[in-house]
Amino acid sequence: SQQGEEDPQALSIQEGENATMNCSYKTSINNLQWYRQNSGRGLVHLILIRSNEREKHSGRLRVTLDTSKKSSSLLITASRAADTASYFCATATSGTYKYIFGTGTRLKVLA
Amino acid sequence: DVKVTQSSRYLVKRTGEKVFLECVQDMDHENMFWYRQDPGLGLRLIYFSYDVKMKEKGDIPEGYSVSREKKERFSLILESASTNQTSMYLCASSSRRGRYYEQFFGPGTRLTVL
Repeated sequence: SQQGEEDPQALSIQEGENATMNCSYKTSINNLQWYRQNSGRGLVHLILIRSNEREKHSGRLRVTLDTSKKSSSLLITASRAADTASYFCATATSGTYKYIFGTGTRLKVLA
Repeated sequence: DVKVTQSSRYLVKRTGEKVFLECVQDMDHENMFWYRQDPGLGLRLIYFSYDVKMKEKGDIPEGYSVSREKKERFSLILESASTNQTSMYLCASSSRRGRYYEQFFGPGTRLTVL
């Protein structure tokens, strides 16, 4: 069963705006990762946040993690048309190499 | 530049055929994974392997088998393809060194079963 559920399922914004997408999960995790998938391609790793971290930045990306609410958010600032893609969260529990992926958020950035 | 390659980008097979999907990674990773991706369902884990000749079932292993004879290669086998196996198949690999394991993905194989 899918552990991660992204919200919203789809998001359309203008270039330059910020995009926020959320991920909820069900069980305790060791870490949470965000991936991007361009249309019809494989996934690319964006950022990893550990269970003992609350916030992490990488370039225009900001990820937060609230383990008490079992949720994470990905913020993309000053979006560009090239950010148009699907974004997935993936969670892993301790003692396993497996990740469980959510259903994804489709982001469209309009030029 | 790290790389995961898959044998085909697009594949069309007939119902009942035996289908082999190949995945090769050049990063000396211990872990390899096969997922299928369907609209609205995200990525679902079919099988994974944490070492040569070792395999573990994922969430949807029915109708599939796998083979890992060499560390760099992980094959997904559809013993008798059916139309409900039409999907995008994604291979990934990850290292076991350290505590946190980023996955590296191949470009995917879009399989159509007629």
